[in-house]
Amino acid sequence: QVQNLQSGPEVKRPGASVKVSCETSGYSFSHYGIHWVRQAPGHRLEWLAWINAANGNTKYSQKFQGRVTITRDTPASTAYMELSSLRSEDTARYYCARDLLVDESGRGFYGLDVWGQGTTVIVSS
Amino acid sequence: DIVMTQTPLSLPVTPGEAASISCRSSQSLLDSNDGNTYLDWYLQKPGQSPQLLIYMVSYRASGVSDRLSGSGSGADFTLKISRVEAEDVGVYYCMQHIEFPHTFGQGTRLEIK
Repeated sequence: QVQNLQSGPEVKRPGASVKVSCETSGYSFSHYGIHWVRQAPGHRLEWLAWINAANGNTKYSQKFQGRVTITRDTPASTAYMELSSLRSEDTARYYCARDLLVDESGRGFYGLDVWGQGTTVIVSS
Repeated sequence: DIVMTQTPLSLPVTPGEAASISCRSSQSLLDSNDGNTYLDWYLQKPGQSPQLLIYMVSYRASGVSDRLSGSGSGADFTLKISRVEAEDVGVYYCMQHIEFPHTFGQGTRLEIK
């Protein structure tokens, strides 16, 4: 079964870090890029970052540059998103989604066609 | 960053009627080098993760009803639903991916009258 299975909910204090995992199955991990998208309550979807699962190349939103780190464990077919220096505005549901690699650009062609179930991250003192 | 603007933000529709959502980008999503236009549509049903509907302006994703169609060019795009059904309820988003960061529209909430 093709799926992205994300780690469970997190509650963090301001200033802390959180690491969310996205364990993929049912497809060839290294043929895809993995995007991270979040949705804060009442807000639109917001793109954070992307990793090329084949070679580890990454792209980040400038808004999160320096605070977000995307990694992958190829043998485990798993991608990770770590967000540091958490603030209350980071309270959101975080999603991973796959995108078939067609070239090195990372722009994709076939859309984000498989999404994880989402991971709720709450930042509160 | 490319700004994506959707209209309307709320769309009440009677079942069986047609519906249309507009998405405009602050710059063209056409790559003149490869001739491709990098615009997708997603639907987030209540309590669910987003799901892909349309990629590259007009290609329906696997399993998506042919009642849905995407069109447009440059910086002006439309998603049409020919006969709205109860299962179409949710928030529709357009997303550009011609450049990083990818950006989404504000979302259009479709509801059944």
